Amino acid sequence: NAGVMQNPRHLVRRRGQEARLRCSPMKGHSHVYWYRQLPEEGLKFMVYLQKENIIDESGMPKERFSAEFPKEGPSILRIQQVVRGDSAAYFCASSPQPATNEKLFFGSGTQLSVL
Amino acid sequence: SQQGEEDPQALSIQEGENATMNCSYKTSINNLQWYRQNSGRGLVHLILIRSNEREKHSGRLRVTLDTSKKSSSLLITASRAADTASYFCATAAPTDKLIFGTGTRLQVFP
Repeated sequence: NAGVMQNPRHLVRRRGQEARLRCSPMKGHSHVYWYRQLPEEGLKFMVYLQKENIIDESGMPKERFSAEFPKEGPSILRIQQVVRGDSAAYFCASSPQPATNEKLFFGSGTQLSVL
Repeated sequence: SQQGEEDPQALSIQEGENATMNCSYKTSINNLQWYRQNSGRGLVHLILIRSNEREKHSGRLRVTLDTSKKSSSLLITASRAADTASYFCATAAPTDKLIFGTGTRLQVFP
């Protein structure tokens, strides 16, 4: 059973471009979480999705950021018109049950650099 | 905010010594989890303790939870250089998301 797969591992974008980060959860996992991490800091919750539904997006900026988890295919975190402040590591995690009952399995992250 | 605060922020010890990290949080929880992160990598789950549990062991790890004080501690016994990493506590509230603390950077010298 492959782990949580994130790609790309590194993504470089110029200001104003779009960034699309992909996350394939572990097989059988229908709960996906996205986190953002700045250097030397902890993980900041962004959004929680459960197959085709956004359960909690309270940590995600209302503008420029969106997330989806379609019935088929990976979860996508989309950042439009990127700015330098979006530079960070973005981690995806999955679980078979909500985090209130279950541990999370993390991907290796996508390092986004905005020039 | 429910985010946990960890103490100390950084810890340096010699191999063979024990390392203790503390975590405090603010609101009621369903469970508390500890994760480890090696530099530039994703997080790896270490241990989960439920709100009705007080202590849990896993190999060289011992976790305690005091819900009355809203605090938890992670003890790593007989540390090894390979234990060098950042350690995070995370709390799971009834809202189903996991909120992470600020982390403790542990350095174990050979």
